Amino acid sequence: NAGVTQTPKFRVLKTGQSMTLLCAQDMNHEYMYWYRQDPGMGLRLIHYSVGEGTTAKGEVPDGYNVSRLKKQNFLLGLESAAPSQTSVYFCASSYAGLQGPVTTPLHFGNGTRLTVT
Amino acid sequence: KNEVEQSPQNLTAQEGEFITINCSYSVGISALHWLQQHPGGGIVSLFMLSSGKKKHGRLIATINIQEKHSSLHITASHPRDSAVYICAVRYAGSQGNLIFGKGTKLSVKP
Repeated sequence: NAGVTQTPKFRVLKTGQSMTLLCAQDMNHEYMYWYRQDPGMGLRLIHYSVGEGTTAKGEVPDGYNVSRLKKQNFLLGLESAAPSQTSVYFCASSYAGLQGPVTTPLHFGNGTRLTVT
Repeated sequence: KNEVEQSPQNLTAQEGEFITINCSYSVGISALHWLQQHPGGGIVSLFMLSSGKKKHGRLIATINIQEKHSSLHITASHPRDSAVYICAVRYAGSQGNLIFGKGTKLSVKP
């Protein structure tokens, strides 16, 4: 059981380049999330999805786009990378959403370390 | 702004010591999570709680709703417990997104 898998693990981009981060989960979870982690700050939510075909903005969505064409995959795109997007990106999934009466554990991927020069 | 404060920021302990990590939040919450981030970067969910106390092995999480405070305890600490421990809360009436603390970096020396 792989859980949540993120690819790639590392990436270096030049300013203005684009890329897509892939998150795949094999737990049949409805809810998926993209977070970024920066030094001295807590994890911050970029975008999330409550099911196949749906996406919503989180706390820091600017500069990112997402898609959830299949239930098991959640893609995070950077159309024109900026140095401010240098960060570690985590994907997570959960069986139930964080908005409902029941909170279930978050399952995290191992992260993608992105450097934009 | 609703925030989550963790203390201490860094903690060094000797193997076998009893560890306490604290988390305080500002307004009413509906759920609190404790997470562990390994030195390699992976994040694992340890506990979710909205009241009382939960125990798993050598780990114990407590929450005091009135005082808006939670603690994570580690009994008989071991070097493999070395990690960053993160507290996250879901504020009542919010859109449900978790607000994360900055983490407590624990180092347990043999």
